[in-house]
Amino acid sequence: DTGVSQDPRHKITKRGQNVTFRCDPISEHNRLYWYRQTLGQGPEFLTYFQNEAQLEKSRLLSDRFSAERPKGSFSTLEIQRTEQGDSAMYLCASSHGLAGGHEQFFGPGTRLTVL
Amino acid sequence: AQSVSQHNHHVILSEAASLELGCNYSYGGTVNLFWYVQYPGQHLQLLLKYFSGDPLVKGIKGFEAEFIKSKFSFNLRKPSVQWSDTAEYFCAVVLGGGADGLTFGKGTHLIIQP
Repeated sequence: DTGVSQDPRHKITKRGQNVTFRCDPISEHNRLYWYRQTLGQGPEFLTYFQNEAQLEKSRLLSDRFSAERPKGSFSTLEIQRTEQGDSAMYLCASSHGLAGGHEQFFGPGTRLTVL
Repeated sequence: AQSVSQHNHHVILSEAASLELGCNYSYGGTVNLFWYVQYPGQHLQLLLKYFSGDPLVKGIKGFEAEFIKSKFSFNLRKPSVQWSDTAEYFCAVVLGGGADGLTFGKGTHLIIQP
């Protein structure tokens, strides 16, 4: 399968713990995006990378959220000191940029439950 | 900031009925528009997209959408739905250039009754 992959698919944690999610984009894609989706809502854009550069991070929900893409391939999203309100589906998407017409391909998501 | 409104949150239709899902966006500049679908248990996949040119866009599985700039709309249509079209449908917009994150509507849950 050459699609976007995310790990883990499900994460249950206790309030106050830190969690980290991983996203592996489609191999030739240089742009990588993170979204959050809560029940009954569409995905909400958080941040994106072009190669290893984080070009937009003002939409990250708080300073507890951070993302990295150190070598321009996979990316991680970390949430520190989790709160119950962080419970959501976290989606990753990638795109080829100009060559691919900016179509974003989505992964299956990581469902986070904060107890 | 741009926003996207989807008028129908839940739609129930019988097989072979015609479908139209409304989508309006708030940004006045150049935009790129998308419809994504999420089938039960699957992840989001692209139905169709509009970047420029012919405002009537054809997508997969018989879907089409029409971009009407004067109405800030990008409604999704299908002349005859099937039970397998049961899914969540999301309209999304990104500013011209397309490099930024997508702004999604809240989605429409479509149920097709056999």
